[in-house]
Amino acid sequence: RKEVEQDPGPFNVPEGATVAFNCTYSNSASQSFFWYRQDCRKEPKLLMSVYSSGNEDGRFTAQLNRASQYISLLIRDSKLSDSATYLCVVNNDYKLSFGAGTTVTVRA
Amino acid sequence: DAGITQSPRYKITETGRQVTLMCHQTWSHSYMFWYRQDLGHGLRLIYYSAAADITDKGEVPDGYVVSRSKTENFPLTLESATRSQTSVYFCASSVTDGAEAFFGQGTRLTVV
Repeated sequence: RKEVEQDPGPFNVPEGATVAFNCTYSNSASQSFFWYRQDCRKEPKLLMSVYSSGNEDGRFTAQLNRASQYISLLIRDSKLSDSATYLCVVNNDYKLSFGAGTTVTVRA
Repeated sequence: DAGITQSPRYKITETGRQVTLMCHQTWSHSYMFWYRQDLGHGLRLIYYSAAADITDKGEVPDGYVVSRSKTENFPLTLESATRSQTSVYFCASSVTDGAEAFFGQGTRLTVV
């Protein structure tokens, strides 16, 4: 079983829509969780950290469910610029494990 | 503020040749990482380093060698390149083991 698994999508949504997707992780001892964004195979960049209580950053909301070992990302009022691959990242034993990514395409 | 830089950005090499990918960071981050990214696999950890002179294997270390004599540099060497090592290689650094990682722009390596 992979350490981090994501629905690859693609999610194709119109501008202004809400899109949400999850990832699951296998190590119950994982302590840190992140969502990264990657554009066209450029370097991944941090979108937001994920905290136990859930957190928002503008139109982005991240949730962590430790009992079921999944992390979610919700994007409200989607913009064309949100088109990217979103990587779920889990810290395991001092190193980051990446999901394969969920591709989101926002259309006009 | 250069951050973290990789060189070269693009490299074509022949099977069996040795090639070294360079990574340099200006933040004095303790942790540095090398990942490779291939379609269908996402990013996979090759090697990581917790500090100068401390390195450890990741998920896919075979065929690679690393060193870290200085905090700011973490070169990755392919001792005898194979076609299966054609990939995009990303170097990253983080201030602590649980913190976010910052990535270099990547090196696109093609082994022919």
